Amino acid sequence: GNSVTQMEGPVTLSEEAFLTINCTYTATGYPSLFWYVQYPGEGLQLLLKATKADDKGSNKGFEATYRKETTSFHLEKGSVQVSDSAVYFCALGAQAGTALIFGKGTTLSVSS
Amino acid sequence: GAVVSQHPSRVICKSGTSVKIECRSLDFQATTMFWYRQFPKQSLMLMATSNEGSKATYEQGVEKDKFLINHASLTLSTLTVTSAHPEDSSFYICSARREGLSNQPQHFGDGTRLSIL
Repeated sequence: GNSVTQMEGPVTLSEEAFLTINCTYTATGYPSLFWYVQYPGEGLQLLLKATKADDKGSNKGFEATYRKETTSFHLEKGSVQVSDSAVYFCALGAQAGTALIFGKGTTLSVSS
Repeated sequence: GAVVSQHPSRVICKSGTSVKIECRSLDFQATTMFWYRQFPKQSLMLMATSNEGSKATYEQGVEKDKFLINHASLTLSTLTVTSAHPEDSSFYICSARREGLSNQPQHFGDGTRLSIL
């Protein structure tokens, strides 16, 4: 079946450090891929998405490239800020109208 | 602006009380909405898929009689936690997804923090 695996956290970084959060997936067909961010006490916000192979999603300095050959969608940011501290979820959308399949989430903590 | 509105954001009540949480799709009609539960520092657990005009589809292990879902219109789904007990305390989040293509993201409400005393 379809599944998403993302690196376990927590990830602890200093401000301006480079961030990578790994995400790999298993799916039949050609799913769409998403990254969501959850700030403390809030719901999930869509951060970026990619709908086909080699697409790059980007937003707020975050990027992720849909790699079909490695079934990956790693999240990266060149210089993190304290305000980026949150939980990040990788998700897969395989069928229209059905719930996205989420990874377990990775907690990012950035200190100044 | 918000695409999905969830209300209330926080509820504190006594054990045995029933609590209703509303989820509204503001930007589009949603024949399907989703309800999640999230424990502290844990991932989202899909509880059920709410279907407009028909019965909800519950995930394995979720009590249908405990968590009543009603999806009476294309923009509103409600989750009622019946006779709530302390173990039902959690963060509940609803979401909706546009119909049509698998590339549509899910839009989430801001969640409801439920605390049962």
